[in-house]
Amino acid sequence: AQSVTQLGSHVSVSEGALVLLRCNYSSSVPPYLFWYVQYPNQGLQLLLKYTSAATLVKGINGFEAEFKKSETSFHLTKPSAHMSDAAEYFCAVSTQGAQKLVFGQGTRLTINP
Amino acid sequence: DSGVTQTPKHLITATGQRVTLRCSPRSGDLSVYWYQQSLDQGLQFLIQYYNGEERAKGNILERFSAQQFPDLHSELNLSSLELGDSALYFCASSPRPVTDTQYFGPGTRLTVL
Repeated sequence: AQSVTQLGSHVSVSEGALVLLRCNYSSSVPPYLFWYVQYPNQGLQLLLKYTSAATLVKGINGFEAEFKKSETSFHLTKPSAHMSDAAEYFCAVSTQGAQKLVFGQGTRLTINP
Repeated sequence: DSGVTQTPKHLITATGQRVTLRCSPRSGDLSVYWYQQSLDQGLQFLIQYYNGEERAKGNILERFSAQQFPDLHSELNLSSLELGDSALYFCASSPRPVTDTQYFGPGTRLTVL
C-alpha cells in the first residue's frame, strides 16, 4: 500500500523567499508522484508529476520537485515566493496500474508581504 | 478550468435525506473518479468508473453509490445522510483507467444539518 506524509501542515514564507514543501512517500513498487494545488473555494490543479522519467520535474508557476529514491522524498520548491502562491498544496502517490491517488494531509502555504 | 464540471456547487440538506451529485468529465476522458475531502479524513478516494463499469473502490460507505452513464457523466448518490457526511466531494477524470493524470472538478460542498 502507498502512503504520503507531508511535513508541516502550515508553512509561512516572506514574499521573494524560497518555498520548500516537504513530501515523503511510502511505496513497495516504483511510485508515480504528483503535486496538486488548491486555491480557496476551488478544485485541485495539477502542478507537476513524476512518472519515472527525469528525477527533476518542472511544473507550472515556477514550481519544481525532485524525486529522491534514497530518501523516498518528492519535495516541492520555488525559488521566489509570490503572494499568488498562497494556497493549500497536496502531494499524492500512485503506482503504475493503480487506479487511485493517495493524498497527503496537505500543507497550507502563507506568503507574508 | 480543468474541463470537469460538477453540479451543484453547494448543497444543504438534513440528516436522513438522500442527495445526488453530478459530474461531467473532460471531453474524451473515459474514467471518472470520486473523492471526499473532509477536515478530519483529508482527501480520500471513494470510487472509480471507466467507460460505464466500476473499476476500483476505496473508502466508500455502503450508504453511498455511484454510476457512470453511456454519455460518460457520473452521479454519486449519498443516502441516509449523517452530519459526518458534510464534506467537499470532488470528481476527477482521466483518459485511461490507470495511472494517468487526473483532472479535478471544482467540487460540490455538501452540508448536512
